Amino acid sequence: AQSVTQPDIHITVSEGASLELRCNYSYGATPYLFWYVQSPGQGLQLLLKYFSGDTLVQGIKGFEAEFKRSQSSFNLRKPSVHWSDAAEYFCAGSMTTDSWGKLQFGAGTQVVVTP
Amino acid sequence: ETGVTQSPTHLIKTRGQQVTLRCSSQSGHNTVSWYQQALGQGPQFIFQYYREEENGRGNFPPRFSGLQFPNYSSELNVNALELDDSALYLCASAGGGTGEGETQYFGPGTRLLVL
Repeated sequence: AQSVTQPDIHITVSEGASLELRCNYSYGATPYLFWYVQSPGQGLQLLLKYFSGDTLVQGIKGFEAEFKRSQSSFNLRKPSVHWSDAAEYFCAGSMTTDSWGKLQFGAGTQVVVTP
Repeated sequence: ETGVTQSPTHLIKTRGQQVTLRCSSQSGHNTVSWYQQALGQGPQFIFQYYREEENGRGNFPPRFSGLQFPNYSSELNVNALELDDSALYLCASAGGGTGEGETQYFGPGTRLLVL
């Protein structure tokens, strides 16, 4: 079955430290992949997306993600975290051959930033 | 901001009642998708509308229904509300087309509480 998995439910990171959020996918072919961020009580904001081509994708707010086909992963990274990065992060995928826009989401990773 | 708006922002209903949630798509977008996000979970795809026709449905019962209007705004209707319907309901719009590289932009959501 097609799925997106985020292994880490909760991550605590110090302000200024690096951050990496894991995402694994299970699809029959390369899916479209996305990372969204959700602040408390808010909707989802798109951070970045991967469709094809360069496997290192740059997004907004200093985030980047790397697509690794061999590991079925699409991990999100940020070199230096700011207190405003505290939020919930969702990885999502959709199949390229069908159901574009019908996103499957992971369960999310809650990021806490400490001073 | 994405330009996708939803109303109302919050809603309280009792079990067995019916509810209508509304979404106004981003300008120029002809596709709208609805998602249900239960507390502590990732969003789950309910259905999608493209040019006023349903274009796919997730694993939700028929009491979840929708409409898309000629101006591409949309409604989500839920009949015979159950306690488990309590959730954040998210609307997302996209530009439409044949599926290559579409990205969904989310509204702020409607939080529904069923008592």
